[in-house]
Amino acid sequence: QKEVEQNSGPLSVPEGAIASLNCTYSDRGSQSFFWYRQYSGKSPELIMSIYSNGDKEDGRFTAQLNKASQYVSLLIRDSQPSDSATYLCAGHILTGGGNKLTFGTGTQLKVEL
Amino acid sequence: DTGVSQDPRHKITKRGQNVTFRCDPISEHNRLYWYRQTLGQGPEFLTYFQNEAQLEKSRLLSDRFSAERPKGSFSTLEIQRTEQGDSAMYLCASSFTGSNTEAFFGQGTRLTVV
Repeated sequence: QKEVEQNSGPLSVPEGAIASLNCTYSDRGSQSFFWYRQYSGKSPELIMSIYSNGDKEDGRFTAQLNKASQYVSLLIRDSQPSDSATYLCAGHILTGGGNKLTFGTGTQLKVEL
Repeated sequence: DTGVSQDPRHKITKRGQNVTFRCDPISEHNRLYWYRQTLGQGPEFLTYFQNEAQLEKSRLLSDRFSAERPKGSFSTLEIQRTEQGDSAMYLCASSFTGSNTEAFFGQGTRLTVV
């Protein structure tokens, strides 16, 4: 089982709709999670971090964390064509050397006009 | 501070040659990560440092790969005897220590082995 898993997509949504991106993780001890956006050919850009159960909102983005279900999600409201990118879920996974930031394979989002 | 800086941005090398990449983290960030990313995949963990100490190295990493972070500041990643399979984007990220800290990436070094 991968430490962080995502559906690779592509996920297609019409402009103005809500995009819902999901992620599961295997290590119940993981404490913190992050969402990165990555445009083609560019490096990942941090857009959201979440450390406790519940929702965290920032503009059009809402991150949700459910530690009991080991589930993280990202909602993008009023999706725009500029949101078309790959969204990477990452978590701090506890290892023998401490904790390392581990990524899923990413979900490609396409926002259609 | 302009963020994490990586050099070079692009590198083309012949198979069998050695290459070295440099990463300058955000100042005062004591944790530094190296990742490798190929097309359609998420960043794959290679290694990470806390200050000058290398805390973990991926088991998938062959002994042709080595990383250093002398004095806990910039880091270098060296690949010896490059192979075509080493072609990828090499990403560096830095953060403060701790699990509830955010990591920020540099622009990456794209390596092409011909």
